[in-house]
Amino acid sequence: DTEVTQTPKHLVMGMTNKKSLKCEQHMGHRAMYWYKQKAKKPPELMFVYSYEKLSINESVPSRFSPECPNSSLLNLHLHALQPEDSALYLCASSQADRNYGYTFGSGTRLTVV
Amino acid sequence: AQSVTQLGSHVSVSEGALVLLRCNYSSSVPPYLFWYVQYPNQGLQLLLKYTTGATLVKGINGFEAEFKKSETSFHLTKPSAHMSDAAEYFCAASDYSSASKIIFGSGTRLSIRP
Repeated sequence: DTEVTQTPKHLVMGMTNKKSLKCEQHMGHRAMYWYKQKAKKPPELMFVYSYEKLSINESVPSRFSPECPNSSLLNLHLHALQPEDSALYLCASSQADRNYGYTFGSGTRLTVV
Repeated sequence: AQSVTQLGSHVSVSEGALVLLRCNYSSSVPPYLFWYVQYPNQGLQLLLKYTTGATLVKGINGFEAEFKKSETSFHLTKPSAHMSDAAEYFCAASDYSSASKIIFGSGTRLSIRP
């Protein structure tokens, strides 16, 4: 299995809703990442997990809450989002001991209304 | 701090023509270097990477890139463009440390003219 699977592919949520994005990989990668990508822009790093521990938080607002329940799963919990949070959210994974490049999922297209 | 610069936000070539997408990095220590491709409404796919060793790196879909330390460059080329190559291309760099950030360039949109 050489894929990173993200669900759902599309999500529309109101500003008072709580929702979660899910990411799963079975490549044995011990580093996992959340990126946010706005249209016509490069991905922006949000969080990095290494060996299931949060190692990097790029000053992301607390309305985004990451969770890594085990080495294969990564969640992003969403609460009280703003319309400007609408974007493509990408999950990625990589080996933790050397950065030989990420494997990206296909993303969740999030629209906040 | 490391940075990646992609020259040209939009490149247009004719089908069958040479594709050249430019990338320069700024780092006193050569980093790991990557090219990713992104098709509309999809994630990023790794085209090729340079870590150590041979400076000419071959990737998927007929693409290759050459690492030139003296020019701090990692330009992406393909001898003959296909319509299916139309996409957004990102150059990226990382340092050697574990689980570190990948720094992305701003991207180059490649269009192919029939």
